[in-house]
Amino acid sequence: QKEVEQDPGPLSVPEGAIVSLNCTYSNSAFQYFMWYRQYSRKGPELLMYTYSSGNKEDGRFTAQVDKSSKYISLFIRDSQPSDSATYLCAMSADGNNRLAFGKGNQVVVIP
Amino acid sequence: DTEVTQTPKHLVMGMTNKKSLKCEQHMGHRAMYWYKQKAKKPPELMFVYSYEKLSINESVPSRFSPECPNSSLLNLHLHALQPEDSALYLCASSQTPLPYEAFFGQGTRLTVV
Repeated sequence: QKEVEQDPGPLSVPEGAIVSLNCTYSNSAFQYFMWYRQYSRKGPELLMYTYSSGNKEDGRFTAQVDKSSKYISLFIRDSQPSDSATYLCAMSADGNNRLAFGKGNQVVVIP
Repeated sequence: DTEVTQTPKHLVMGMTNKKSLKCEQHMGHRAMYWYKQKAKKPPELMFVYSYEKLSINESVPSRFSPECPNSSLLNLHLHALQPEDSALYLCASSQTPLPYEAFFGQGTRLTVV
């Protein structure tokens, strides 16, 4: 079983829809959870960072962490064509320099 | 300023060449990272520098040689690469040696011919 599982998609949605992305993980030591957005041929851009369980909202983006289920989610409200990108989940544990990435989920928002 | 700057953006090199990739950040971050990313794959960690000392080498071949001259700069020296080393090389930095809230540069797209 991979440490982090993420459905690579692609996921196509119409403009204005809610995009729902998720990752599951197996390492119960993970405490730090990140979502990155990566446009084609560019570096990943940090979107959201959450520590331990709970929700975090930033504009149209909401990140949720459920440590009991080892499940994290990212919601994008009122999706725009500019949200078309690959979304990577990443996580790490205390005392560990390594980020464990999901495979990335390609999202296409259709105008 | 949350910027990590990488140069060059693109690099084509022959298998006998020696080249260097450069990375710079001015956020006062004390950890810097090199990642390699192949198409449609997540980034793979290569090296971690923590307080300017190499703390992690993920069994990377010796044809890749990292260097951290100071807290703002990170280099990756390349020598005798293989075509399969062609990839996007990403530099990242984080405030502490824990990689949460790591910021990535735009990457250097390397092609080995």
